Amino acid sequence: DIQMTQSPSTLSTSVGDRVTITCRASQSISNWLAWYQQEPGKAPKLLIYKASSLQSGVPSRFSGSGSGTEFTLTITSLQPDDFATYYCQQYSTYPYTFGQGTKLQIQ
Amino acid sequence: QVQLVQSGAAVKKPGASVKVSCKASGDIFNNYYIHWVRQAPGQGLEWMGVMNPRRGGTTYAEKFQDRVTMTRDTSTRTVYVEVSSLTSEDTADYYCARGGQWLDTATFDSWGQGTLVIVSS
Repeated sequence: DIQMTQSPSTLSTSVGDRVTITCRASQSISNWLAWYQQEPGKAPKLLIYKASSLQSGVPSRFSGSGSGTEFTLTITSLQPDDFATYYCQQYSTYPYTFGQGTKLQIQ
Repeated sequence: QVQLVQSGAAVKKPGASVKVSCKASGDIFNNYYIHWVRQAPGQGLEWMGVMNPRRGGTTYAEKFQDRVTMTRDTSTRTVYVEVSSLTSEDTADYYCARGGQWLDTATFDSWGQGTLVIVSS
């Protein structure tokens, strides 16, 4: 199975800050990488697909980059609604696997 | 608009089975796959497997190969996941999600609301 490792696990930050979350795959997944946002008590929401493509309706302050084994999710100018948990997911091969999550906390 | 509506919460005893349903609107059965993802309390997301609703084919994560069965009812556009031999470690929110049939669209762009399954004696 492909292992996905996110860092950091938690991030204390403030409204208006720029945030970068890293995701590493245990083997190359080309650009078959997605990012999801999950608020407490809710289902995950797709933000980014194919490593850097913004899902329809997602604010442009979210962006993704990377290919192969190293990927990043960047959020510019954090808004109050952005304090949530973020997961990367590889969908290159079954079993699809998720990173362990990165929780953004208000500093 | 595509919607996935799941069955309500369930409380089961250890050793029992649970069957969670996911009813799909739209033309999902012909053009999409349905995935199942679970999340234990305070934990991350875990992919369980996937079903092709049109053909009925399934692929399971190895961890769940022996205890999970995915089925569907095409007449009601409903997909099911059944988990047998439940233990407390199966206590989790279970989500169904839509994914495309091709890599370009394989991400989960629509999710059910989740079904809480509690396993307790």
